Formats: sequence, C-alpha cells, structure tokens
Amino acid sequence: DIVMTQSPDSLAVSLGERATINCKSSQSVLYSSNNKNYLAWYQHKPGQPPKLLIHWASTRQSGVPDRFSGSGSGTDFTLTISSLQAEDVAVYYCQQYYSTPYSFGQGTKLEIK
Amino acid sequence: QLQLQESGPGLVKPSETLSLTCTVSGGSISSSNYYWGWIRQPPGTGLEWIGSIYYSGNTYYNPSLKSRVTIFVDTSKNQFSLKLSSVTAADTAVYYCARHLKDSGDFNWFDPWGQGTLVTVSS
Repeated sequence: DIVMTQSPDSLAVSLGERATINCKSSQSVLYSSNNKNYLAWYQHKPGQPPKLLIHWASTRQSGVPDRFSGSGSGTDFTLTISSLQAEDVAVYYCQQYYSTPYSFGQGTKLEIK
Repeated sequence: QLQLQESGPGLVKPSETLSLTCTVSGGSISSSNYYWGWIRQPPGTGLEWIGSIYYSGNTYYNPSLKSRVTIFVDTSKNQFSLKLSSVTAADTAVYYCARHLKDSGDFNWFDPWGQGTLVTVSS
C-alpha cells in the first residue's frame, strides 16, 4: 500500500503571504508510460465536503483560483497558495490514485497568523 | 450540477451492520467512465477510501475492509449503498459518498463529494 505523508501537520500564514504544503508518497506515483503523476489535492472546510483543487499533481480543477498551484513528481509534491486569502482556511489533503487502495495524506490544517 | 447526498442511521450498535445510501441528483449514475465511491473520516484522523462501484455492479474494495463491506447500486433510483458488517467503535466516522472517475482503465480522483454523514457506533 502507498502511504501518503504530509508536512507540516498545521501551518499559520499571514494574509497575502505564501503557504506551502508538502506531500510525500512511500513509492513513486509517476506512471512512466504516460508521464503523469497520479496525485490530487483537496480542500476541506468545516461543515463542507472535500473539494477537488488539483489533479495530475499540477492541473487545477475548473473554477479553482489561480493562486492555488501544484508541483512535484515521483514521490515529492507541493501545494502552494501564492497569496493567502481568509477563505483559504481549511484542511488540505493529498491523495494518490496510482494504485489501490487509494490513499490520502493525514491532512494539513491551514490557519491565518 | 451533480449532487450527492448520504442518508442512513446516525447511530449503530456494536456488532451490527451499518447501512448508508447515497442519492445522486443532477446526473445519471449510469454514466460511462464514472464509478461511485465511499470514503470515511474517523474523528480526528484522515480520510480512508472504502470502495467504489460501477453502475454495472462491478466493485473495488479497500482490502483492509473488504471482508466486512458490500457496496451495491440501484440504477432505477439513481442510488448506491454501503453495508459494513460487525461494526465496532473504530467504525465511528463521517461517511462520504463521491463520484470516482475511471478513465482509460485508470481510477482517478473523487469529485464531487456528498456533504457527509456522521455514524456513531455505540450501545
């Protein structure tokens, strides 16, 4: 099974500043035949369902603000919020869909400093 | 706009069977390339994929839960359901249903998700 580990567990960032969340997989999620990383990022606000932000490690889902970006390849990935807004307070999860069982990171709680 | 809504008892006794249904609206559960999944989140912990089903009835389960899980679909009602047997306190969680994209033979991400429903296992 692929284990997803996020860092940090929690993060406090000032409004307008950059927030960076890391995700590491226990084995590569890069599929060599199509050169795609099978990794997604979700935003989870209290009382709401998780929302897909990014798939294929760096492709923003339709309607997601461009301050959200994903990067990385193989086993190391990053979600970056370029200029933190108040509405970005949430828990963020990475998820691998390279192999079953599909697994999530433990989550990173993002707060305003 | 596709929407999913979970329903079912919020309290289940230990050793009994947890049963939940997800109703899909704004689209057909019989759409090609889409499976329909269940994911749960125990209090204070992360998300765990339980399993996914195609409208034809084809299923994939998390091996950690496979012996206790059954997922089935009712296309006439545009619903799919989860049964988890022999529950314990460790099965207390918010249970989500979600659409699970399967494209070119590969499973992808979950989108959208239902609101989630809290199921507590307690006597």
